[in-house]
Amino acid sequence: EAGVVQSPRYKIIEKKQPVAFWCNPISGHNTLYWYLQNLGQGPELLIRYENEEAVDDSQLPKDRFSAERLKGVDSTLKIQPAELGDSAVYLCASSLTTSTDTQYFGPGTRLTVL
Amino acid sequence: AQSVAQPEDQVNVAEGNPLTVKCTYSVSGNPYLFWYVQYPNRGLQFLLKYITGDNLVKGSYGFEAEFNKSQTSFHLKKPSALVSDSALYFCAVRDKTGNQFYFGTGTSLTVIP
Repeated sequence: EAGVVQSPRYKIIEKKQPVAFWCNPISGHNTLYWYLQNLGQGPELLIRYENEEAVDDSQLPKDRFSAERLKGVDSTLKIQPAELGDSAVYLCASSLTTSTDTQYFGPGTRLTVL
Repeated sequence: AQSVAQPEDQVNVAEGNPLTVKCTYSVSGNPYLFWYVQYPNRGLQFLLKYITGDNLVKGSYGFEAEFNKSQTSFHLKKPSALVSDSALYFCAVRDKTGNQFYFGTGTSLTVIP
């Protein structure tokens, strides 16, 4: 069974440029998460989807960050414009449902903003 | 405030010795508890979880964790450490009431040959 797929693995951009990350969850997983992980820190939830509905986006900086999961399968996270402080690893995870189910993580996208 | 604490940033243990990585939580209700491991440049990998039932949970790669409700702890343990266990370990807690998910700051485990 394929795991959570993310692309790109690495991205280097200059500040004020836009950037997008893509995630394809494990087949059949209804819940999808986007996390931000700073160096030496644990992941912090940005947004959680149940199918195509964003049910928790309270930690998403909506002035510059946006996300979509149009068909309830794969998802895109966008930053526009990027700032120096956005340099981090962006992790995507999925689970069958939200309750007791285990989250399975992708390898992440390491973003460097210059 | 609800949170997860991993009091040790770094744990060093000799190969073959038992290891413990500590986790305490402050979450209302009876939470679900998880341990994940992260190798360099990799995503987090699930090790084990406690939902209900037996307080001792067995997981992948010989790891186990003990849920202690009175001490609000969920320490990760392994009887005999391997060099390949060297990685970053994260404790996570799901708050059932609010459906929130909290990660600790991680503990770097180094197993010395």
